[in-house]
Amino acid sequence: ETGVTQSPTHLIKTRGQQVTLRCSSQSGHNTVSWYQQALGQGPQFIFQYYREEENGRGNFPPRFSGLQFPNYSSELNVNALELDDSALYLCASSLDLTSGTYNEQFFGPGTRLTVL
Amino acid sequence: AQSVAQPEDQVNVAEGNPLTVKCTYSVSGNPYLFWYVQYPNRGLQFLLKYITGDNLVKGSYGFEAEFNKSQTSFHLKKPSALVSDSALYFCAVRQTGGSYIPTFGRGTSLIVHP
Repeated sequence: ETGVTQSPTHLIKTRGQQVTLRCSSQSGHNTVSWYQQALGQGPQFIFQYYREEENGRGNFPPRFSGLQFPNYSSELNVNALELDDSALYLCASSLDLTSGTYNEQFFGPGTRLTVL
Repeated sequence: AQSVAQPEDQVNVAEGNPLTVKCTYSVSGNPYLFWYVQYPNRGLQFLLKYITGDNLVKGSYGFEAEFNKSQTSFHLKKPSALVSDSALYFCAVRQTGGSYIPTFGRGTSLIVHP
């Protein structure tokens, strides 16, 4: 088990609602990335936060937004939910990706979001 | 643009036999390459990575992968499969320098039969 935790485990929302997902990174890690994994697909990169700043963004609309806090925990917010937003949302933490050296990401168990 | 292809949706192998899960990639410049495993209702677990150096990379749980630059491949291998290896395996690529955005393949389901 990694030290990355996510909450809630499961969530059911209706179309048009807003949702906030939370991630607690592994101790000592300062970078958090969020991924969307649709059924039968690989994880798709949403964005990454390094020391509270967005440090890279995948091909997702602005209604996907995030925050990273001083303790390096993070939130993913999705507004105006659509049916296609139903997926497993994964958080991954790592140490100082932008240093130029690569450290592997440690993934949390994910939050399963269902949009009805 | 970078991409990863895992040409097999499913690989079946008998316990004790060697296994190979295939991955090919496309990226500008030199790649960083990774393999992750995902068990049901769990997040991804890191298996191994290639950054630079020896083409044969050894990772967790007896897995290894061979980087082949000319064939742009990074196949995952294990000499003797276990039933407990049954899971979903993902290959990922990231370019060195520049964007730190990784691209994952669609995954290969490995089924090891007793």
